Amino acid sequence: QVTLKESGPALVKPTQTLTLTCTVSGFSLSTSGMRLNWIRQPPGKALEWLARIDWDDDKFYSTSLETRLTISKDTSKNQVVLSMTNMDPVDTATYYCARIPTGSSGYYYFDYWGQGTLVTVSS
Amino acid sequence: DIQMTQSPSSLSASVGDRVTITCRTSQSISRYLNWYQQRAGKAPKLLIYGASTLQSGVPSRFSGSGSGTDFTLTISSLQPEDFAIYYCQQSYSTPWTFGQGTKVEIK
Repeated sequence: QVTLKESGPALVKPTQTLTLTCTVSGFSLSTSGMRLNWIRQPPGKALEWLARIDWDDDKFYSTSLETRLTISKDTSKNQVVLSMTNMDPVDTATYYCARIPTGSSGYYYFDYWGQGTLVTVSS
Repeated sequence: DIQMTQSPSSLSASVGDRVTITCRTSQSISRYLNWYQQRAGKAPKLLIYGASTLQSGVPSRFSGSGSGTDFTLTISSLQPEDFAIYYCQQSYSTPWTFGQGTKVEIK
């Protein structure tokens, strides 16, 4: 059974660095073709893709946020970590991790999502 | 970045209605277009990938079409559980981008 679960602080202060962890089960982050993503959604607003890390450690970032984002993985722990520096109230959102499966035929769709974790940025 | 424009932003429909949602992209993306459904308070759920391939387990009343810059999601006969927000997403090139969403409400 494939599951993804996000964890991290519910509240961060402006200028702080946010660190979120996605713990996965039912599949391996090291399987060829596996790709893990972070996506966020401000309250009442649309989805925004943030970052992706591949089985071979290739990394990709949102153009507008790439200077603030770092994605990494620990295959032995089945975890992917996202760090976002210099947090601002506009970064208040639900943060999701989502998987792109192997064999996606190049269409890169998100087939499994975590439940999401709400992060509020406030002093 | 590729811009995504969905229309309408919201619609009201009755159970049994046929519903069509459109997604337009700022440049051609071939068929690299996916559709998601998001019910209130839940994570998005994949409906269709590659513009027209139904994800396993998704009811056949959902269908997708299009290529290039214009795409459509159709619900052939709206069911109570289909009232939700629908998003398109392009996977042609990073950074991947989503549409602003279409809210389907009960009439």
